[in-house]
Amino acid sequence: GAVVSQHPSRVICKSGTSVKIECRSLDFQATTMFWYRQFPKKSLMLMATSNEGSKATYEQGVEKDKFLINHASLTLSTLTVTSAHPEDSSFYICSATWTNTEAFFGQGTRLTVV
Amino acid sequence: AQSVTQLGSHVSVSEGALVLLRCNYSSSVPPYLFWYVQYPNQGLQLLLKYTTGATLVKGINGFEAEFKKSETSFHLTKPSAHMSDAAEYFCAVSDPRRLYDFGNEKLTFGTGTRLTIIP
Repeated sequence: GAVVSQHPSRVICKSGTSVKIECRSLDFQATTMFWYRQFPKKSLMLMATSNEGSKATYEQGVEKDKFLINHASLTLSTLTVTSAHPEDSSFYICSATWTNTEAFFGQGTRLTVV
Repeated sequence: AQSVTQLGSHVSVSEGALVLLRCNYSSSVPPYLFWYVQYPNQGLQLLLKYTTGATLVKGINGFEAEFKKSETSFHLTKPSAHMSDAAEYFCAVSDPRRLYDFGNEKLTFGTGTRLTIIP
């Protein structure tokens, strides 16, 4: 199947700083990318959907100013957690698709805010 | 709104035994249903998918699942467990009416089931 790469796989940052997570589709052009957050022993929660060249669509309850999503090209989407706090610590997963295909997932990023 | 319930956050089976992972869904319309597997430190990989047609769906690695509308279930089975099957399994549902402009489904996931294989 298609390959989606997330970077970094783990990151530790200080409270109040910002951290950027990258999601790349390595062998296909992703028209749509999804960002999920996974809490311990909980479901993957969809945070937002981004289409290349347009603003992301955020799910209800997700702070768009807190979680900045940019989908500048057909192979790259980024999620920036701004002014991170310990409660933002979580596992973040992206997925990428193109027209009428299944979603291909990245390996996830473990964010720890100290 | 749609929801997915996976009964049993942890399931242990002996190598060679039947694997049964349960998934029940709630949806106001016939949904699309999925099973994904996640190995440690890896992304989710699609095992199988039901959209329409035959209710018994065969996937990769010998897994299959049956869509039972009357029971609102989509349980995942494998006749004989292998050590390499140890992983986290997620059931997911999407609403066919809620396709994005590019035709990609928006998924709602269950909480996952960790499968352990006993040698």
